[in-house]
Amino acid sequence: DTGVSQDPRHKITKRGQNVTFRCDPISEHNRLYWYRQTLGQGPEFLTYFQNEAQLEKSRLLSDRFSAERPKGSFSTLEIQRTEQGDSAMYLCASRRKGGSKVTGELFFGEGSRLTVL
Amino acid sequence: AQSVTQLDSQVPVFEEAPVELRCNYSSSVSVYLFWYVQYPNQGLQLLLKYLSGSTLVESINGFEAEFNKSQTSFHLRKPSVHISDTAEYFCAVSELGRSNDYKLSFGAGTTVTVRA
Repeated sequence: DTGVSQDPRHKITKRGQNVTFRCDPISEHNRLYWYRQTLGQGPEFLTYFQNEAQLEKSRLLSDRFSAERPKGSFSTLEIQRTEQGDSAMYLCASRRKGGSKVTGELFFGEGSRLTVL
Repeated sequence: AQSVTQLDSQVPVFEEAPVELRCNYSSSVSVYLFWYVQYPNQGLQLLLKYLSGSTLVESINGFEAEFNKSQTSFHLRKPSVHISDTAEYFCAVSELGRSNDYKLSFGAGTTVTVRA
């Protein structure tokens, strides 16, 4: 399988605990994105990386959220001191840089669903 | 900044009937437009896209969408739906972010429920 993979698929945690999600992008893709999707809403942009550099962060990404991509391959998204409002699907996506059409088309993983009790 | 409006949150439809999902965007510059589909408990899959050229784009499973620049719309249609088309559909527009690179902005989604 050469698609975007995310782990874990489901996570249930108690309020105040820390959680970490992992994303493995398509191997030749150097851009990696994190989105959050809450019930009844479309995905909302959180942050993205070009190789290991984090180039942009949304205002949605509070100080309790941190994302890394240390070697420019897989990425982790950590949420500290989780709150019930953090319950959502966290989606990872990737794409190649450049090419003949720089359009922003993304390839998504199946997501990591977080439930905070 | 772009915004995407999907005018219908829920669309119930009978099998073999036609369906149209409406999408409008706000932009004063050239855009790239996409429709993604999300089946239950799965991630988003690209359904079709408009980059340039012909304003009518088609997918392999019978969906089509027409880019209308004057109305800033990108409505999705299928002349005859199947039970397997039950899913959530997202319209998205590609925009340049602060880092001068493209990222997608999504509408709130339209849930299509196909009934026999």
